[in-house]
Amino acid sequence: DQQVKQNSPSLSVQEGRISILNCDYTNSMFDYFLWYKKYPAEGPTFLISISSIKDKNEDGRFTVFLNKSAKHLSLHIVPSQPGDSAVYFCAASDWGSQGNLIFGKGTKLSVKP
Amino acid sequence: DTEVTQTPKHLVMGMTNKKSLKCEQHMGHRAMYWYKQKAKKPPELMFVYSYEKLSINESVPSRFSPECPNSSLLNLHLHALQPEDSALYLCASSQVGYSGNTIYFGEGSWLTVV
Repeated sequence: DQQVKQNSPSLSVQEGRISILNCDYTNSMFDYFLWYKKYPAEGPTFLISISSIKDKNEDGRFTVFLNKSAKHLSLHIVPSQPGDSAVYFCAASDWGSQGNLIFGKGTKLSVKP
Repeated sequence: DTEVTQTPKHLVMGMTNKKSLKCEQHMGHRAMYWYKQKAKKPPELMFVYSYEKLSINESVPSRFSPECPNSSLLNLHLHALQPEDSALYLCASSQVGYSGNTIYFGEGSWLTVV
């Protein structure tokens, strides 16, 4: 049973517009959520995280929103740039786990010039 | 730039070979991890070391043998692997503690078993 779901395998956005990547989770014990960006043949690069005690965290062009009641989080990228084209993974961990990040299957973002 | 360094970046080995993957971090992290990632799949946890001691082994076959010689180094010894073990092997590190710690990944070692 998938505990972290990214239901959109791909997303295409025009340069300068907003990219919204979505992630749903089922385990209510998750209390820390992360977004990673991955280029082919490279390891995941940490982008931004959010603790379950917050509903929003912002870092430059990246903002993560958390809706605990809906068990849903989203990553907003504004404005989108062609260099943002990559696979984005949502990941979650629960209190009591050490490093056992549960990853979604990823969403491939393509930002077109 | 990642501060988790993995070597080699690419490795091709036969099923009877013995080889090792190496990982080094200089962020002062006391938790280190091995993940495995197959094509078009998310990373999957293999092992976790906390304070140089193995704390989690996600039922990984014994042909994979981790080693943590000190707080900065993590090795993965490989022996008698199968072609289906071909994958991207990711090392990662973080502060020790339950949840809330960001895990930083290296660039990975691409392993091909022939």
